[in-house]
Amino acid sequence: GAVVSQHPSWVICKSGTSVKIECRSLDFQATTMFWYRQFPKQSLMLMATSNEGSKATYEQGVEKDKFLINHASLTLSTLTVTSAHPEDSSFYICSARDPQGNTGELFFGEGSRLTVL
Amino acid sequence: QKEVEQDPGPLSVPEGAIVSLNCTYSNSAFQYFMWYRQYSRKGPELLMYTYSSGNKEDGRFTAQVDKSSKYISLFIRDSQPSDSATYLCAPQRGSYIPTFGRGTSLIVHP
Repeated sequence: GAVVSQHPSWVICKSGTSVKIECRSLDFQATTMFWYRQFPKQSLMLMATSNEGSKATYEQGVEKDKFLINHASLTLSTLTVTSAHPEDSSFYICSARDPQGNTGELFFGEGSRLTVL
Repeated sequence: QKEVEQDPGPLSVPEGAIVSLNCTYSNSAFQYFMWYRQYSRKGPELLMYTYSSGNKEDGRFTAQVDKSSKYISLFIRDSQPSDSATYLCAPQRGSYIPTFGRGTSLIVHP
C-alpha cells in the first residue's frame, strides 16, 4: 500500500514557540492531504484539508492563523503550530489518498505527538 | 447525536476469544463502511471495508453492515495478543473522507 511519512514523531516545546510537522507521501503524489488531531481516548478530529498549490480548507472551529498549513508540492504538506500553548498538546496525524487506489482508503502517517510545556 | 457512535471500551478478552466490536451511525447516505486499526502511538491503518449491506470476511476478521438498523460490526475470531489495539469504525459517503468513531480499545491477554 501507499506510504505516508510524518516527522517528527514526537516533539516537546516551550509555550509560545512554533512547531512544524511534515507529512510526505513517499510513493505516490497527493494533491490533497488531511490533517487530524487526536486527544487521548478520543476520535480523530479533522482539522483541515491541505490542497497542493492552494489554500487549505479548515474545519469549523479550527484557527487557521494558529495552525498554518502549506502544501507546496505533490508529496509534502506541513502543519505549523504557531505560538503553541499547553492546550495544543495532542497527537497530530496526517493522511492522504492514493489516487491510483479504488477504495478511497486513507493512508496515515505515524503521527506526531506534541507536548507544549 | 454524533454521526458515528462507538463504545470506547476498553474491552478485555482472553486469547482465543471471539471479539465483537460495534458502531451505530445516523447518516443514511454512508455507502462504504471501513474499519481502521490503530496501535498505540501510531497512525491508523485500514483493516477492511464493506460496501453497502452484508458481510465480508478476511481471515479471522468479518465485517458486517446492516443499513436498515444503521449498525456496523467487526468480528475477530481466535483473537491474539497482537490484535490489541484501538479499532475505529469509519463510514464514508462516496468519495468523501470517512467519519470516524472514537474507537474501541481492545486488549487481548495471553
